[in-house]
Amino acid sequence: NAGVMQNPRHLVRRRGQEARLRCSPMKGHSHVYWYRQLPEEGLKFMVYLQKENIIDESGMPKERFSAEFPKEGPSILRIQQVVRGDSAAYFCASSSAQTDTQYFGPGTRLTVL
Amino acid sequence: TQLLEQSPQFLSIQEGENLTVYCNSSSVFSSLQWYRQEPGEGPVLLVTVVTGGEVKKLKRLTFQFGDARKDSSLHITAAQPGDTGLYLCAGERSGNTPLVFGKGTRLSVIA
Repeated sequence: NAGVMQNPRHLVRRRGQEARLRCSPMKGHSHVYWYRQLPEEGLKFMVYLQKENIIDESGMPKERFSAEFPKEGPSILRIQQVVRGDSAAYFCASSSAQTDTQYFGPGTRLTVL
Repeated sequence: TQLLEQSPQFLSIQEGENLTVYCNSSSVFSSLQWYRQEPGEGPVLLVTVVTGGEVKKLKRLTFQFGDARKDSSLHITAAQPGDTGLYLCAGERSGNTPLVFGKGTRLSVIA
C-alpha cells in the first residue's frame, strides 16, 4: 500500500506569490489533517478535512490560507501572498474512520525568499 | 500554551546506555502516539497507547501510558547509533481529532 503522498517535496516562492501544497491520503483513508512545523518546534495543527468538508480549521490563519479536499483528487493547502514567516515544513496526515491513527506524509518544505 | 511537555529536549548518550523520555500533560487524552522523525522526513509512527497503565514493547523500546492517561514515557534499552533522531509524543482528545504534539526530544547516540 502506498503511504501518504505529498508534493512538491520542496517549494520556493518569492514574497507575494501563491503556494499550493498537495496531499494524497493513504488508500481507504477519508480523513486528512494538515500540520505546520517550524524549526526546532513540534508540529502544530492547522486544518482537518473529510471529503468535501472542512471539519476543523481552528489552527489555520484566517487570512491568506485555505484548504480543500474535493470528492476526486488530492487535498490542497493554498497559501496566497506568501510572506517570509510562512517558511516551514507542512505535513499532511491521513486516517480512516475505523482506526484514528494518523499516518504522515514526507512533508513539503516551503521557502519564501 | 504547550499542552504536552516533553523532557528532556536534548539528549546525548553513549552507545549501550539506557534512557527515558517523558511526555507530560495536565489534560486527559483518549490515546497517545509516539513518532520518530528523521531530518527532511515526516514523522513515522512507533506506537499508539490507548488504555491507562498500558505498556507496549517494540524490541528495545518500551512505551507506557499513565494510569490517568495524562502522561507517557518511552524507555530505550542499550541505545544504538541507529536510534538517533527526533522523538515526538502526540495526544488525541478523542477519535479522529487533531493531534497535540510535544516539542520533541532530540536524541543523539554516539558510537
